Amino acid sequence: GEDVEQSLFLSVREGDSSVINCTYTDSSSTYLYWYKQEPGAGLQLLTYIFSNMDMKQDQRLTVLLNKKDKHLSLRIADTQTGDSAIYFCAETAYSSASKIIFGSGTRLSIRP
Amino acid sequence: GAVVSQHPSWVICKSGTSVKIECRSLDFQATTMFWYRQFPKQSLMLMATSNEGSKATYEQGVEKDKFLINHASLTLSTLTVTSAHPEDSSFYICSARVRARSLTNTIYFGEGSWLTVV
Repeated sequence: GEDVEQSLFLSVREGDSSVINCTYTDSSSTYLYWYKQEPGAGLQLLTYIFSNMDMKQDQRLTVLLNKKDKHLSLRIADTQTGDSAIYFCAETAYSSASKIIFGSGTRLSIRP
Repeated sequence: GAVVSQHPSWVICKSGTSVKIECRSLDFQATTMFWYRQFPKQSLMLMATSNEGSKATYEQGVEKDKFLINHASLTLSTLTVTSAHPEDSSFYICSARVRARSLTNTIYFGEGSWLTVV
């Protein structure tokens, strides 16, 4: 079945870049998402990428997609303390009935 | 951007009672809404998928008679936890898929609802 995997923790120094990685198994995935969840809050859509793209940049965020290896990454440039959160990778196939499958989430912590 | 509103944000109820959580898409129509629950420090677990005007599709292991989902319009879905028990205490999050002519498949999430059953 479909599966999305992420490492559970990442610690980076303030000002450095953070790179959060994700792998997925569903070759029919057409949309891949990155969500941010702060403590006790819902999920905030950070960005998404369509499967026919290999890169998308939005201010400090860069998403890279390697469709052949089914690997997705999120790079946060100049990481700030406000970036501390759990980041979820998710994927779905294009269909009105398709459910969205989440990874376990990566907890990003920032050290001074 | 698009907004999905969930209400209530938190609720405490007595064991054996029922609780209703609403999920509204405020500025767009949603073809499909999803309900998730999240246990502390865990990922989201999809409970059910609801399409406007039809019965919800429940994930394996989720009791449809306990978690009643109604999707009466393109902007509102409700989750009712019936005869709630302490083990139902959790964070419930809804999401809505944007109905659009283009190929976008954007999904927005509500803020979540904390349910505590005492």
